[in-house]
Amino acid sequence: DGGITQSPKYLFRKEGQNVTLSCEQNLNHDAMYWYRQDPGQGLRLIYYSQIVNDFQKGDIAEGYSVSREKKESFPLTVTSAQKNPTAFYLCASSIWSSGRMNTEAFFGQGTRLTVV
Amino acid sequence: KQEVTQIPAALSVPEGENLVLNCSFTDSAIYNLQWFRQDPGKGLTSLLLIQSSQREQTSGRLNASLDKSSGRSTLYIAASQPGDSATYLCAGDNAGNMLTFGGGTRLMVKP
Repeated sequence: DGGITQSPKYLFRKEGQNVTLSCEQNLNHDAMYWYRQDPGQGLRLIYYSQIVNDFQKGDIAEGYSVSREKKESFPLTVTSAQKNPTAFYLCASSIWSSGRMNTEAFFGQGTRLTVV
Repeated sequence: KQEVTQIPAALSVPEGENLVLNCSFTDSAIYNLQWFRQDPGKGLTSLLLIQSSQREQTSGRLNASLDKSSGRSTLYIAASQPGDSATYLCAGDNAGNMLTFGGGTRLMVKP
């Protein structure tokens, strides 16, 4: 089955710890995205990547880092600099054509991160 | 900067009713408009994508329209069922930017 796989489904982080969320896609999509969702709010863009070895900051990139070493994978690291990391994290992908995201975006099932 | 608003934030209807969910955006230079469904604790499922050159899309009991001049999109659900209960999100993208999401409408369809 083609799709986007996020792992783990639930993640607990201690204060001061870095954690990495996994996102893998087998849709052969060029572009991948990370969003954060907080209760009562819409999704906010953290980082995105259009091609391998390149990525751009979104609206709320502070305290996060990413890498794009393979087309299929776009892991997100939540660093200790992120002061309020408890949230639901969603990864997405789409075809990137002519510099625009002009096709459907598909999402993974999300990772719920909780600081303990 | 594009802003997307969804009204109402929550809606409860009896089964069988036809209903309309509203999405408004501030920048008419929107390119694509996409509607998603989200079940509690789950990811987003794409329902309909309206591309720049289109004005509406249909899938089964769902119909979405896009009016750029008025800054509005609507999602029409015909003959609602309890299984339609979920949060519905709209998102638009415009030149050079990624998807901007509304806050969602939480729909409850009562048997």
